[in-house]
Parts: sequence; structure tokens; C-alpha cells
Amino acid sequence: NAGVTQTPKFRILKIGQSMTLQCTQDMNHNYMYWYRQDPGMGLKLIYYSVGAGITDKGEVPNGYNVSRSTTEDFPLRLELAAPSQTSVYFCASGDNRGSEKLFFGSGTQLSVL
Amino acid sequence: AQSVTQPDIHITVSEGASLELRCNYSYGATPYLFWYVQSPGQGLQLLLKYFSGDTLVQGIKGFEAEFKRSQSSFNLRKPSVHWSDAAEYFCAVASSGRGSTLGRLYFGRGTQLTVWP
Repeated sequence: NAGVTQTPKFRILKIGQSMTLQCTQDMNHNYMYWYRQDPGMGLKLIYYSVGAGITDKGEVPNGYNVSRSTTEDFPLRLELAAPSQTSVYFCASGDNRGSEKLFFGSGTQLSVL
Repeated sequence: AQSVTQPDIHITVSEGASLELRCNYSYGATPYLFWYVQSPGQGLQLLLKYFSGDTLVQGIKGFEAEFKRSQSSFNLRKPSVHWSDAAEYFCAVASSGRGSTLGRLYFGRGTQLTVWP
């Protein structure tokens, strides 16, 4: 059982480049989330999705885009990368069948130089 | 606006000693509260959660937490710490809004736990 899988694990970008962080889950969860974690800080919600075709902004959405074409996949797009986007990115998924439990991926360490 | 404060950045305890990690929240309504643990290089894992009812909640790995509305606190405790408990611990409160609150979490900055042998 793979759970939530994120790729890549590490990436270095130059300022102005773009990239997509991949996230896929095999638990048939409706809900998926992207968080970022800065050093010494808690996680902050970037975007979330409550099902295929439905996405919404979280606390810190600027500079990011998402799409949800399938239940399994929820990619996060960075356009025009900036040093402020240097962070660890976590994808998570869950269902709304009462457990209120999130399953997290192992994270993507991104550096923008 | 919702917020979570974890006043201790780093705590060190000896193996076998008791542990209490502090968490204070700011939220206008009845909160949904969570404790997560993050081991190095890993994602977060849910330890326990409080939605309503009994204010003392039990979680995995022998952890418990007590919700105290009068103090706006949700402190995490463990009677006897094991070396494998060394990790970073995050308290979180769920935001309100349409639909499920699942995942729309506000996290504290975390408490790093070191366990001495």
C-alpha cells in the first residue's frame, strides 16, 4: 500500500524557472492538500481539493497553481520560481467519512537560487 | 482568525521521564484540535484529535491530550518517554467553513523533542 507518493524528493531551481510537484494517492480519497513547511514554522496550506475538478485556495496560494483532473493526482505548479518559495512541500490526502485523518507524503525539498 | 501557539521550541527529556508539550489556540467557536508527529525526513502522522465529548483523548504510541476550554489549551502528555519518541510535534486547529474541516488546518511552529538515553 503506497499511500501518498510525492516526486521529486529534492529539486533545485533557478529564479524564474517553473516546475510541477507531483502527488498521487492510491486510497481513493476525495480530499487532497498541499502544504509548505518553512524552517522553524508549522505547515501552511497552499491549495486543497475536495474532489476531481474542484480546487480552492488555502492560506498561502500566491505563486502556485493546482489542478485535479483525477481522484488520484493533485499536482502543484510553480510558475516563475522565487527564493521565497524555498521550502519543504507536503502533499496530504484524506476522506470525509468521519475519521478526519490526513495521510501525508514524505515531502519535496525545493531550493530556489 | 485561528492561530496556534506552541511556546516551547525545543524540549529535552530523559528516557523514562514524563512529558508534557504545550499548545494554546485561538479560535472563536468550538475547535477541532490535533496533534501530529514528524520524524526526520518523513511526513506528518496523526497522534490524536479532539472534536467534542470527553476532554481527555487517547492517541497512538501511548500519548494523550487534554482539552481545557477555560485555558484555550490542548497539551500533549506521555507518562514515560521512549527514545523512539524523539521527533517534532505539531499542534493544529481546523478552520471552519463549508463542508468538512478535514485538512484545512492551522499549525503551530512545532516543538522538537530530544530524548536522552
